[in-house]
Amino acid sequence: AQTVTQSQPEMSVQEAETVTLSCTYDTSESDYYLFWYKQPPSRQMILVIRQEAYKQQNATENRFSVNFQKAAKSFSLKISDSQLGDAAMYFCAYRGLYNAGGTSYGKLTFGQGTILTVHP
Amino acid sequence: EAGVAQSPRYKIIEKRQSVAFWCNPISGHATLYWYQQILGQGPKLLIQFQNNGVVDDSQLPKDRFSAERLKGVDSTLKIQPAKLEDSAVYLCASSSGRAGEYSNQPQHFGDGTRLSIL
Repeated sequence: AQTVTQSQPEMSVQEAETVTLSCTYDTSESDYYLFWYKQPPSRQMILVIRQEAYKQQNATENRFSVNFQKAAKSFSLKISDSQLGDAAMYFCAYRGLYNAGGTSYGKLTFGQGTILTVHP
Repeated sequence: EAGVAQSPRYKIIEKRQSVAFWCNPISGHATLYWYQQILGQGPKLLIQFQNNGVVDDSQLPKDRFSAERLKGVDSTLKIQPAKLEDSAVYLCASSSGRAGEYSNQPQHFGDGTRLSIL
């Protein structure tokens, strides 16, 4: 079974600074998808950024970018110019392809999460 | 576009009682997911529906948990009887795409139901 590991339970950053959240995963597949989700306290989980494993180019979304190292099975998230609104729990997630009863489908496996605090 | 709707937001029950959660996915989304998120952990998939059929319920404790998705739209998740370790947030999510279609389409999450067992 695929596993996702986030080794940093908590991280903190000063407003306007840059922070990097780490994620590693274990898989024997070559084709898969990786995601970072953000979950503010008591609020909805929302997608931050996604990466296709077959693409070598790292994904970027405004202040958010990833460093995808396929051989190392590493997928870190960099937040530039951190803002107070970035404070949340961040989850790394892996989507692999599964088969059951002749049906193929994707399934997300989440890491344990990293709590990000932003200091003014 | 309306998001994933869940109710209730909060529920407090005593152990051995039963409880049910409701989810309405984004219109047109064929795939619906129920997750259990214990405090301080990442969500764990309980069950995944494609339209009204189950494609994965391998981590659903079937002796006490049940779920259905009638007509391929709304879904309910039930726990009977509840145990103390069931205290968690239950998240519903939906995504577009069909069985066999493997894409980068993300899952859209509801606000969740926070369940407390006394």
